[in-house]
Amino acid sequence: DAMVIQNPRYQVTQFGKPVTLSCSQTLNHNVMYWYQQKSSQAPKLLFHYYDKDFNNEADTPDNFQSRRPNTSFCFLDIRSPGLGDAAMYLCATSREIVGSQPQHFGDGTRLSIL
Amino acid sequence: AQTVTQSQPEMSVQEAETVTLSCTYDTSESDYYLFWYKQPPSRQMILVIRQEAYKQQNATENRFSVNFQKAAKSFSLKISDSQLGDAAMYFCAYRSAANNDMRFGAGTRLTVKP
Repeated sequence: DAMVIQNPRYQVTQFGKPVTLSCSQTLNHNVMYWYQQKSSQAPKLLFHYYDKDFNNEADTPDNFQSRRPNTSFCFLDIRSPGLGDAAMYLCATSREIVGSQPQHFGDGTRLSIL
Repeated sequence: AQTVTQSQPEMSVQEAETVTLSCTYDTSESDYYLFWYKQPPSRQMILVIRQEAYKQQNATENRFSVNFQKAAKSFSLKISDSQLGDAAMYFCAYRSAANNDMRFGAGTRLTVKP
């Protein structure tokens, strides 16, 4: 039973063409995260939502934005993708923002830039 | 800022044997949480085991156990009776108890030989 669902699994877009990745969860968790993971590297946190409160990491590029219209859904918008933005994008959730609560990950969306 | 180091980019183990994956971290905090995540090829990242820093007893989950050495800032993962399905990328992660700062190591790719 998928609990964190990312669509699509693979996304191809053109250089500079806006793209949106989606994530939904059935866990009713308060926190949703977006990570960028490049090949053979550790996941890098881009931002997270605690409920409706948005928290951006200091080094997240300006062309990355996010929306969380309700508890279940969270979107990653890349306004003008560059070749360096090609990566796996992971969505994760956790019940609370602190503590030993683990994060639950989706399968990821692999983004390619032409 | 906290850093997590996994010094073994790749490891291999014979099926049914035991393997230990290393992880060290750097922090000035006394309260934090440590995790090992497993990411099989093209599949989602899942939690393997977690450890609260205030607990002296090492966490154990079936064939997976950790050796947590707080003074040495070391958090190794031992996999006993290795199975083919254990083949994956393993990430060590640190999470501050004070905030949502979660850091991943670069990962160790584990191969299990039949």
